[in-house]
Amino acid sequence: NAGVTQTPKFRILKIGQSMTLQCAQDMNHNYMYWYRQDPGMGLKLIYYSVGAGITDKGEVPNGYNVSRSTTEDFPLRLELAAPSQTSVYFCASSYPPTGTGVNEQFFGPGTRLTVL
Amino acid sequence: QKEVEQNSGPLSVPEGAIASLNCTYSDRGSQSFFWYRQYSGKSPELIMFIYSNGDKEDGRFTAQLNKASQYVSLLIRDSQPSDSATYLCAVNGEGYSTLTFGKGTMLLVSP
Repeated sequence: NAGVTQTPKFRILKIGQSMTLQCAQDMNHNYMYWYRQDPGMGLKLIYYSVGAGITDKGEVPNGYNVSRSTTEDFPLRLELAAPSQTSVYFCASSYPPTGTGVNEQFFGPGTRLTVL
Repeated sequence: QKEVEQNSGPLSVPEGAIASLNCTYSDRGSQSFFWYRQYSGKSPELIMFIYSNGDKEDGRFTAQLNKASQYVSLLIRDSQPSDSATYLCAVNGEGYSTLTFGKGTMLLVSP
C-alpha cells in the first residue's frame, strides 16, 4: 500500500495564481483531512470529509475549496493565491472514530507551498 | 474554540533520561487524546492515544491522562537521540471527527 500520497512536493506560486494540491489514499478510509502547518506552529484544519460527496469546513477554510467525488481522492484548490497561504500542507486519512472517539489519522508527506 | 496548549520548548534531556512532555486542553467534552511525533521536515505519525484517566504504557512511552485537571502528558523513558523531534498533542473535536492540535514541543536528546 502506498498509504497517503500528495503531489506536488514543492511549488512556488505567484500572487493571484491558482492551483490544486492532490491527495490520494489507498487504505479505503472514509475520512480525509487537509491541514496547513506554519513554521513553529501546530496543524490547522482547513477542510475535512467524512465520505464521498460530503465536505465540511475546518478552522481556517478561507481561500480554499475542496471536493470529494471518490473515496480515494481529496483535492484542495487554492484560488487567487496570497502570501499568507505560504505553508506546508498535509493531507490525512482515517477510519471513522471508534465509540471512544479514537481515530488514527495517517498523514501524507506534505506539499511545501511558497507564494511570492 | 477548542484550545490545546503545549510548552514550545525546546526541552533538552541527556541520553538515558526521562523526558516529560505536557499538554493542557480547554474543552471538558474532549474524549480522546493523542500524541504525534514529527521529525523535522517530515509528516506527523501517531505514537499513542489515551481515553481513560490514568496511565497507558507502550514500550518506552507512557501517556498519562487527568480529565479533572484537563491535563495529558507523555513520558519517554531511556530517551535516545533518535527521539529528538517535535511532539504534537491533539484532542478530538466536533463529533469526534476532527482533531485539534497543539503547537508542539520540541525535544532534544543529547548523546
